[in-house]
Amino acid sequence: RKEVEQDPGPFNVPEGATVAFNCTYSNSASQSFFWYRQDCRKEPKLLMSVYSSGNEDGRFTAQLNRASQYISLLIRDSKLSDSATYLCVVSRASGGSYIPTFGRGTSLIVHP
Amino acid sequence: DADVTQTPRNRITKTGKRIMLECSQTKGHDRMYWYRQDPGLGLRLIYYSFDVKDINKGEISDGYSVSRQAQAKFSLSLESAIPNQTALYFCATSDQGLAEFGNTGELFFGEGSRLTVL
Repeated sequence: RKEVEQDPGPFNVPEGATVAFNCTYSNSASQSFFWYRQDCRKEPKLLMSVYSSGNEDGRFTAQLNRASQYISLLIRDSKLSDSATYLCVVSRASGGSYIPTFGRGTSLIVHP
Repeated sequence: DADVTQTPRNRITKTGKRIMLECSQTKGHDRMYWYRQDPGLGLRLIYYSFDVKDINKGEISDGYSVSRQAQAKFSLSLESAIPNQTALYFCATSDQGLAEFGNTGELFFGEGSRLTVL
């Protein structure tokens, strides 16, 4: 089982829609959680960190469920510019350190 | 100027050739990483280093080696390139991710090095 799993999609949604992605992780000792955004052939960039209490940044909401070992990302009022691949990153414990581990990414296509 | 710089950005080479990808950073971070990205497989960790004297294998280190010449520099070498090493390679840096020190653990990436092995 891959340590960090995401549905690759693509999720194809109209502008204005609400869309949600989940990401599951296998290492219960994982400490930090992030969502990154990657545009085609570009480097990933941080979208938001995910905190235990959940957090919101404009149209984006991230939540963490430690008991079920998943994180989620909710995008409200989707824009064309939201089209990208969303990467889940989990810092998993390894020999006393925490190593950032990526899911395969979820592709989002927002159409007019 | 970019905080994390990778060279070369694109390289085409032949099977059996030695290739070095270089990464330098001005973030002042101790932690540096090399990932490769293949379509449908996400980013997979090749090697990582938490300081100049520290080198660790990631999940796919076979066929690769690294050198951490200084805090700011981390190079990836392919001693004898093979076609299945054709991929997009990313260097990244981060702080220690310790909240008590105001660290976030955020990864900062270079723009990537696209390598094609014929």
